Order: sequence, then C-alpha cells, then structure tokens
Amino acid sequence: GAVVSQHPSWVICKSGTSVKIECRSLDFQATTMFWYRQFPKQSLMLMATSNEGSKATYEQGVEKDKFLINHASLTLSTLTVTSAHPEDSSFYICSARGTSGRASINEQFFGPGTRLTVL
Amino acid sequence: GNSVTQMEGPVTLSEEAFLTINCTYTATGYPSLFWYVQYPGEGLQLLLKATKADDKGSNKGFEATYRKETTSFHLEKGSVQVSDSAVYFCALSSPIGGATNKLIFGTGTLLAVQP
Repeated sequence: GAVVSQHPSWVICKSGTSVKIECRSLDFQATTMFWYRQFPKQSLMLMATSNEGSKATYEQGVEKDKFLINHASLTLSTLTVTSAHPEDSSFYICSARGTSGRASINEQFFGPGTRLTVL
Repeated sequence: GNSVTQMEGPVTLSEEAFLTINCTYTATGYPSLFWYVQYPGEGLQLLLKATKADDKGSNKGFEATYRKETTSFHLEKGSVQVSDSAVYFCALSSPIGGATNKLIFGTGTLLAVQP
C-alpha cells in the first residue's frame, strides 16, 4: 500500500514556541491530506482537511490561527502549532489520499504520528 | 451527529482464542464502515471495510458484517495470534454535503494476545 511518513516522530518544546510537523506521501500524489489529533484513550479527532493548493478546511472548534496548515505540493503538508502551550501536548496524525499514476486512491493512508510535548 | 462507539479495552486473550470487538454507530444516511489496525510504532492501516448493509468485510482472518438493523459492525476472528496484538479502531465515513468523505473514529481497543 501507499506510504505516508511524518517528521519528527516526537518533539519536546517550551511553552510559547512554534513547532512544525511534516507529513509526506512517499509513493503517490496526495491531493487531499487530513490532520488528526489523538488524546490518550480517546479517538482520533479530525482537525482539518487540506486539498493541494487550497486553504485548509478546519473542523468546528479548531483554531486556524493556532494550527497553521500548508499543503503546497502533492507530496507534502505541514502543520505548525504556533505559540504552543501545555494543553497542545498530544499525538498528531496525518493521513493522505490521492492518485498514483492514473489510479485514484480513495483510501486514506496514515502516517505513524508525532508526539508533541509542550513544557 | 455521526458517532462510533466501541468496547473499551484492553482485551487480553490467549493465542488461538476467539475474538470479538464490539462496535456500534450512529449516522444519518448510509455510511461506509471500517476497521483500522495500529501496530506498535506504526500508522493506522485499513483492515477491512463494508460499504452497504449486510456486506461482510474480511481480511487476514478478521471479519465484520454491516448490520443496519442493529447499527453494528463487530470485529471477529476465530483464532488470534500473538502478532494480532495491536490497537483496533472502528470508523465510519459519511459524505457531508457532497464534500470529501470524513472518517469518524471510535476510541480504539487495545488487543493483547499472550502465547
């Protein structure tokens, strides 16, 4: 199946700093990428959906100025947590869907996640 | 709104035991249903899916049947192996206003299989 990578796999930062998380599709063109947040013992919560070259669509309750999403190419999307605070500590997961050659890939392929800890 | 409820874990079984992980859903319209598996240190992988009532999804010995009358999609396997130890997520997908289908996940169930 298609492969999605995330970098870094974990990050620790000080309160007030910004952190960027990258999500890459390695062997297909990701026309749509999704960003999720997962709290301990809770389900994945969709934060936003981004289509390549367009502004991201944020779910209700997600601050777009705090969680900046960029999807400038068909293989890369980034999530920047701005002015991070301890309550932003969480597990962030991306997924991607798109095309490989002429084939449309309807399934979402998930990255391994990034553990963010804000001190 | 749409939601998914699955049994809490952890579920601990001995090798070759029968597995059931319950999943029920609430949705408007006709959602597609999925089971994803997350092995330690890896991303979620699609295990199986069903797109309409009475469909049975199956993969790697796992099965789940889309039951519209009981709004359920329980995951079953007749004989689990140690390698099946992972977190299992039930999910549904329903188009919203014709936009990109969104996945709604349950809380996940940790399965630990002991030799």
